[in-house]
Amino acid sequence: AQRVTQPEKLLSVFKGAPVELKCNYSYSGSPELFWYVQYSRQRLQLLLRHISRESIKGFTADLNKGETSFHLKKPFAQEEDSAMYYCALNTPPTDKLIFGTGTRLQVFP
Amino acid sequence: ETGVTQTPRHLVMGMTNKKSLKCEQHLGHNAMYWYKQSAKKPLELMFVYSLEERVENNSVPSRFSPECPNSSHLFLHLHTLQPEDSALYLCASTPSRGYGYTFGSGTRLTVV
Repeated sequence: AQRVTQPEKLLSVFKGAPVELKCNYSYSGSPELFWYVQYSRQRLQLLLRHISRESIKGFTADLNKGETSFHLKKPFAQEEDSAMYYCALNTPPTDKLIFGTGTRLQVFP
Repeated sequence: ETGVTQTPRHLVMGMTNKKSLKCEQHLGHNAMYWYKQSAKKPLELMFVYSLEERVENNSVPSRFSPECPNSSHLFLHLHTLQPEDSALYLCASTPSRGYGYTFGSGTRLTVV
């Protein structure tokens, strides 16, 4: 069965520290992976997708098919990065996202 | 408000009531979705509509009834709900596969 696992419910770091939010998926085919972010009192919004191989707000994520992972990384965390982060999996040819339970990132000054 | 708009923002209803949630997008997207977000659980996909045709019903109880009259509007009709149906109901849309979703702000539903 398709599944997304985010093992950490809460990740706390100090400003300027590196951040890695873990995401593992279960799917035997070629997945499409996404990271979504939800800032306080805001709607869920797309942060980045693996097919575009982009860096958004300093965040990057690399798809590792061998480890079935799509960890989100940022070298220097900022206070404004504090939010809830969700990893999501799309399994072609369907177009329905399966979400992980989310990780709350807290960045302290 | 641009993007995906959901109304109402908050809804309290009794178990015998009938109510409807509304979702609207004018982004020209082809697919629309209903998700349920409960505390301490991942977002659960409920329904998928592609080009106004329902393509997915994810084992959702019949007390939830979706309707997609056109490509811009999506409804979720509710009747005889249970207290455990209390949750945040999110609507999303996408132009096509691989682009990611645009989410609405959600409707916070409380069933009393």
